[in-house]
Amino acid sequence: GAGVSQSPRYKVAKRGQDVALRCDPISGHVSLFWYQQALGQGPEFLTYFQNEAQLDKSGLPSDRFFAERPEGSVSTLKIQRTQQEDSAVYLCASSLDSMNTEAFFGQGTRLTVV
Amino acid sequence: DQQVKQNSPSLSVQEGRISILNCDYTNSMFDYFLWYKKYPAEGPTFLISISSIKDKNEDGRFTVFLNKSAKHLSLHIVPSQPGDSAVYFCAAILLGGSNYKLTFGKGTLLTVNP
Repeated sequence: GAGVSQSPRYKVAKRGQDVALRCDPISGHVSLFWYQQALGQGPEFLTYFQNEAQLDKSGLPSDRFFAERPEGSVSTLKIQRTQQEDSAVYLCASSLDSMNTEAFFGQGTRLTVV
Repeated sequence: DQQVKQNSPSLSVQEGRISILNCDYTNSMFDYFLWYKKYPAEGPTFLISISSIKDKNEDGRFTVFLNKSAKHLSLHIVPSQPGDSAVYFCAAILLGGSNYKLTFGKGTLLTVNP
């Protein structure tokens, strides 16, 4: 497709369960970002990839969060042992280069931990 | 500590009138600002941006004004249309440093009444 695609759109997980969220960026986009948007808040930065290299993971809230982009295209955000506070919309964005002045966002994955 | 603040959670405007959305920031090092528009169940969509070397940028019905001394920017939409009803996020980037990280405000819900 032409845009950033995320799957699944919705995910309900039981507390303690592991989840994996997928992002397909726009083809050819070098930079990929993950953001977390809690209810009533703006998106907050989690991590950044340039091609396959994870250049910044300072926004990941705990070591239960892990992201990868092994071939510099598709990325997966994994959350281990989910907690209720992990409930949020997880947004993926990609941009053509490292100058993130026009990032394109996917529709997001809404994660609900029960 | 919120570096980008949108103090009005919501704004209601009559169709055809001007909508003014405001944003304040605390980090004087920010040098690029963006506005994103978000419809329910969709990801944010880039709307308009402005570099810190400018004080105004216009694109059709949308104009962004930047007042660096006041650390304030605003988005003007004129004339407002019902299809403009959405959440608007202000975001900022440090181009020279962590140029990949967007720092968002909490958003303002704009409702344009027919």
